[in-house]
Amino acid sequence: EADIYQTPRYLVIGTGKKITLECSQTMGHDKMYWYQQDPGMELHLIHYSYGVNSTEKGDLSSESTVSRIRTEHFPLTLESARPSHTSQYLCASSRGGNEDTQYFGPGTRLTVL
Amino acid sequence: AQSVTQLGSHVSVSEGALVLLRCNYSSSVPPYLFWYVQYPNQGLQLLLKYTSAATLVKGINGFEAEFKKSETSFHLTKPSAHMSDAAEYFCAVSVGNTPLVFGKGTRLSVIA
Repeated sequence: EADIYQTPRYLVIGTGKKITLECSQTMGHDKMYWYQQDPGMELHLIHYSYGVNSTEKGDLSSESTVSRIRTEHFPLTLESARPSHTSQYLCASSRGGNEDTQYFGPGTRLTVL
Repeated sequence: AQSVTQLGSHVSVSEGALVLLRCNYSSSVPPYLFWYVQYPNQGLQLLLKYTSAATLVKGINGFEAEFKKSETSFHLTKPSAHMSDAAEYFCAVSVGNTPLVFGKGTRLSVIA
């Protein structure tokens, strides 16, 4: 059983609000990832980190930002939410090797009204 | 750059029938290959992975996949479908120090 947690699981907010989606893992993994996934559709990598104080943008342009101050914590922030941000956000982590499994959290389903 | 193609966005099989989900990859160097499954309202979980050992890989829930370098394929199979297999399945490839590249996914429906 993977020990990676996301909160909240569901969030409904109004346009213009600032939100932070939390992601934590207790496995000591160096690598962490954020994906955006619309219902029944492919995953898009929006941010990733290979260690503390290291963050990179993914393939999909996103208005969100991330930080990695602690190994176990990788929050994602939207400064001003818009309806176009409505989606599911999945966090994942893995150890250092390219052959290592990515472990996924349960996701946060965000709805912006 | 590496890429993954999953043929068929939706596959429907009868309960007890063979499951075959297709995945082809593109990579200039030997890849690591993964199959993940996603149940409704959940994250993804690993079914199996190929890491250059045996070319026939067995995973959880009776699934297996065979790495065929000559065909650049990593198709997922299960001899007999169960209702609980209904889910979204993603193939992914890892090369070098870049993040996993996922396919677009295949939705498996199982008909009673």
